[in-house]
Amino acid sequence: QQKVQQSPESLSVPEGGMASLNCTSSDRNFQYFWWYRQHSGEGPKALMSIFSDGDKKEGRFTAHLNKASLHVSLHIRDSQPSDSALYFCAASEPGNTGKLIFGLGTTLQVQP
Amino acid sequence: GGIITQTPKFLIGQEGQKLTLKCQQNFNHDTMYWYRQDSGKGLRLIYYSITENDLQKGDLSEGYDASREKKSSFSLTVTSAQKNEMAVFLCASSIATGVDTQYFGPGTRLLVL
Repeated sequence: QQKVQQSPESLSVPEGGMASLNCTSSDRNFQYFWWYRQHSGEGPKALMSIFSDGDKKEGRFTAHLNKASLHVSLHIRDSQPSDSALYFCAASEPGNTGKLIFGLGTTLQVQP
Repeated sequence: GGIITQTPKFLIGQEGQKLTLKCQQNFNHDTMYWYRQDSGKGLRLIYYSITENDLQKGDLSEGYDASREKKSSFSLTVTSAQKNEMAVFLCASSIATGVDTQYFGPGTRLLVL
């Protein structure tokens, strides 16, 4: 079973709209979460990390973590066509290896 | 800032062939990683290394060897390429701690005929 599950598999929003991506972990050892974004033909790039319950905002991006339910979400406000990409949620256990477990990703398409 | 360079960008191999992929980083990071990305399967960890000459197996290490002879470089060898295999191999690096961001290279695209 996939330890980090993402939904939806794909999402289409109009330019200027709000995109909401979800991620749930099945492993209570996972304490730290990241969102990565991958444009076609490139490697993934970290968008933001979240380790504490609640919201974390960086520009148009807001991540929300609920440790009790092991649910993390990413909300993109005022979506732009350049936000069209594959978004990964990743989680890790406490420790010094930096080993990440990735979800399968959500493909976001922002329609101009 | 820094950069991760992966060579080659594209690799076409024959079934049974041994293939080597190379990765260089100038972040001065201690930890480096190799991931495999297949369509619809996300990223899966093959090998990682927390320091020079260290190697740790990931979830997908069977069929691969790795080498970390210098802090700045990390190589991956496909020991016997499988026919019709098609995947992207991604190299990443991070500072040693478990909560540090990983920085990825652009990938090597492998096709086995």
